[in-house]
Amino acid sequence: QKEVEQDPGPLSVPEGAIVSLNCTYSNSAFQYFMWYRQYSRKGPELLMYTYSSGNKEDGRFTAQVDKSSKYISLFIRDSQPSDSATYLCAMSHSGSARQLTFGSGTQLTVLP
Amino acid sequence: EAGVVQSPRYKIIEKKQPVAFWCNPISGHNTLYWYLQNLGQGPELLIRYENEEAVDDSQLPKDRFSAERLKGVDSTLKIQPAELGDSAVYLCASSLGVAGELFFGEGSRLTVL
Repeated sequence: QKEVEQDPGPLSVPEGAIVSLNCTYSNSAFQYFMWYRQYSRKGPELLMYTYSSGNKEDGRFTAQVDKSSKYISLFIRDSQPSDSATYLCAMSHSGSARQLTFGSGTQLTVLP
Repeated sequence: EAGVVQSPRYKIIEKKQPVAFWCNPISGHNTLYWYLQNLGQGPELLIRYENEEAVDDSQLPKDRFSAERLKGVDSTLKIQPAELGDSAVYLCASSLGVAGELFFGEGSRLTVL
């Protein structure tokens, strides 16, 4: 079993929909949680970064962490076609990039 | 400011041939990473450099893979000989120290025939 599990999708939604992306994990030592966005044939780019449990909001994006359930989510409000990409969750117990464990990614398509 | 630059973007070779990938990190970033990303998977760390020193190469298959980072700036990842299973995207990333945000290049896509 992988340390980080992520539904690969693909997920297809109409423009303006609320999107929910999720990851579960097994390592209770994870304290830092990240979401990366990866456009086709590009490298991943950091979207959201949270520490421990709770919510963090940035524009149309909200990241949630529930450490008791070992479950993290990324919500995208008012989704746009430009949000079409693969979303990767990543986790670390040290906050250091040297020990990141990535999920396998969820492919999202937002239809105009 | 330029991001992480990788070349070549695409490479097609026959099995048993050698191949090399080059990475130029963001200026001033002393920490450099090489990741492997298979189709439909997340990136997996191959090797991490802090300046010129390879401080984590535990996941690098040393029988056929090698890497170097001369002068603590550019880095090269080599595979010799390549196998069919090496077909993947090789991502380079850099950060300002290990606690800094990770910035990825666009990747080098390898196809081994």
